[in-house]
Amino acid sequence: EPEVTQTPSHQVTQMGQEVILRCVPISNHLYFYWYRQILGQKVEFLVSFYNNEISEKSEIFDDQFSVERPDGSNFTLKIRSTKLEDSAMYFCASSPGTQYFGPGTRLLVL
Amino acid sequence: LAKTTQPISMDSYEGQEVNITCSHNNIATNDYITWYQQFPSQGPRFIIQGYKTKVTNEVASLFIPADRKSSTLSLPRVSLSDTAVYYCLVGRGGTSGTYKYIFGTGTRLKVLA
Repeated sequence: EPEVTQTPSHQVTQMGQEVILRCVPISNHLYFYWYRQILGQKVEFLVSFYNNEISEKSEIFDDQFSVERPDGSNFTLKIRSTKLEDSAMYFCASSPGTQYFGPGTRLLVL
Repeated sequence: LAKTTQPISMDSYEGQEVNITCSHNNIATNDYITWYQQFPSQGPRFIIQGYKTKVTNEVASLFIPADRKSSTLSLPRVSLSDTAVYYCLVGRGGTSGTYKYIFGTGTRLKVLA
């Protein structure tokens, strides 16, 4: 059964550093998403992406965040200058309609 | 976006049927109802999706009344491994468009031996 995959599974970084979280969506899916979940809190929508454009973004997704689909298979989330409060699990999802989530990347900002 | 309301937690015993009800009074005509399961430190896992009436798959059933303002996820004969958080979400399903899910706190199901 096809799955969304994410790398790395864990990332530790220093505050102010740039991080890139990678996702490989399910191959025939056209719609892509990033969500995050701070420990003990709700899953929060960050951004949706279709046809090489952002479709919608939340207020969390400020100028420090960007997304890209650099090739036909990867979908990345970049955080330019990480803050302590960016520590969270980040989930990628892809859909033809129903959203399928990846296993997540646990980001820890020190 | 339709807001959903579901119980914060439920306890059950192994082998019992568990029914989790979700209310979504403001569901839109083109919204589908989707349930996900989440284990700690893992991504939400798709369980079942429906638009109306009843949907059944190998792990669960989903009951949706005619007015679609609520839905019930039914898990037959739960086991300890079904202990997880269950989310009811509404959003465009089918095959068109991006849409964002608004996650609530979900229902924390604890299955006891």
